[in-house]
Amino acid sequence: GAGVSQSPRYKVAKRGQDVALRCDPISGHVSLFWYQQALGQGPEFLTYFQNEAQLDKSGLPSDRFFAERPEGSVSTLKIQRTQQEDSAVYLCASSPDRDYNSPLHFGNGTRLTVT
Amino acid sequence: AQSVAQPEDQVNVAEGNPLTVKCTYSVSGNPYLFWYVQYPNRGLQFLLKYITGDNLVKGSYGFEAEFNKSQTSFHLKKPSALVSDSALYFCAVRSFFYGNNRLAFGKGNQVVVIP
Repeated sequence: GAGVSQSPRYKVAKRGQDVALRCDPISGHVSLFWYQQALGQGPEFLTYFQNEAQLDKSGLPSDRFFAERPEGSVSTLKIQRTQQEDSAVYLCASSPDRDYNSPLHFGNGTRLTVT
Repeated sequence: AQSVAQPEDQVNVAEGNPLTVKCTYSVSGNPYLFWYVQYPNRGLQFLLKYITGDNLVKGSYGFEAEFNKSQTSFHLKKPSALVSDSALYFCAVRSFFYGNNRLAFGKGNQVVVIP
């Protein structure tokens, strides 16, 4: 079946521009996560949704980062006034329930380059 | 906070030899432990998990991992490595103790299987 889909696959933004990254989770998945993966590093947690509720946004690095999931399916991660340090791969993941023992299903990520 | 250490940057092994990728963790409460693999320009793929029960867990593609509570370790193993196992491997941990559902990842280990 279809996995987690992220778009665009690559995004180049000039410093100061706003960007929006889209995630289509697996249909019916309750939980949705955003992670940031810098080059040569492991994924770092950004935020977590359970259906449409954003239950944890403590990983967002600044108030320039904003995420939403208004209907409990598709999610958008928005970065305002991008900075060079925002360059990274942004990974979206979903899982079918809220259980701590459920593995996450990851998309292929959006590689953001800020010039 | 929960955390994971993967002490080696790169693991080199000859094809057909046993493969071990090390992971130690730090959490309060009972750990939920996971291994993921990442191929170039792809998202993370789930390999296996430990939740409770038997300390030796078996996963996809012939991988297994051994949970050792006293050493707080969860090393990934494969009896006979294949060239196609060359990839980036991430260990991750969750704990219900913290009241959040985030998965904390290690920095990853690059595995190179030499033909």
